[in-house]
Amino acid sequence: EADIYQTPRYLVIGTGKKITLECSQTMGHDKMYWYQQDPGMELHLIHYSYGVNSTEKGDLSSESTVSRIRTEHFPLTLESARPSHTSQYLCASSEPVGLGEKLFFGSGTQLSVL
Amino acid sequence: TQLLEQSPQFLSIQEGENLTVYCNSSSVFSSLQWYRQEPGEGPVLLVTVVTGGEVKKLKRLTFQFGDARKDSSLHITAAQPGDTGLYLCAPHQTGANNLFFGTGTRLTVIP
Repeated sequence: EADIYQTPRYLVIGTGKKITLECSQTMGHDKMYWYQQDPGMELHLIHYSYGVNSTEKGDLSSESTVSRIRTEHFPLTLESARPSHTSQYLCASSEPVGLGEKLFFGSGTQLSVL
Repeated sequence: TQLLEQSPQFLSIQEGENLTVYCNSSSVFSSLQWYRQEPGEGPVLLVTVVTGGEVKKLKRLTFQFGDARKDSSLHITAAQPGDTGLYLCAPHQTGANNLFFGTGTRLTVIP
């Protein structure tokens, strides 16, 4: 049902490499998010955006950066990956519902840094 | 920092059994959502509850929002293996920029 896509699905890279995780949505949503989730653990918000040219840091400090040049695209970049960055990264977009938001998640990128 | 507790953290039951999982806080929320996350996928919204005391049913799943809007429960009747997943509650507080998620209840239904 959700029209939000993340690539790659899995990524194994060496320490020090620069990587970009892609996220695209076709629902025209203004608000988008990146969450980090370790196995069996809760979701932590690391970045979000209210719309084009808007980027905000989330609750969990992250060495990654994001950009929002187009409404549908919200890529996340790690300039120099480290083993501590190994995790699942989930992208989401949302639409207002009542007093809150309804989030639509991608399938995630499972990142392993060796 | 919000204090949000989901219990139990892990639950393993046999197919056909009933179960209830809980989401508790000392804060009052304007609404609360439940998501289910299957292994290797992103969470998917199950329901949004808004009114204190509200009960919503989704097939075998029954969701209740506490009268004081501080807590919620999810009851599953006759659990099936397809119910296996991580159940996350996500309350919304008036004035907050974003949803935040509980730690979740990881449910395993054994055939």
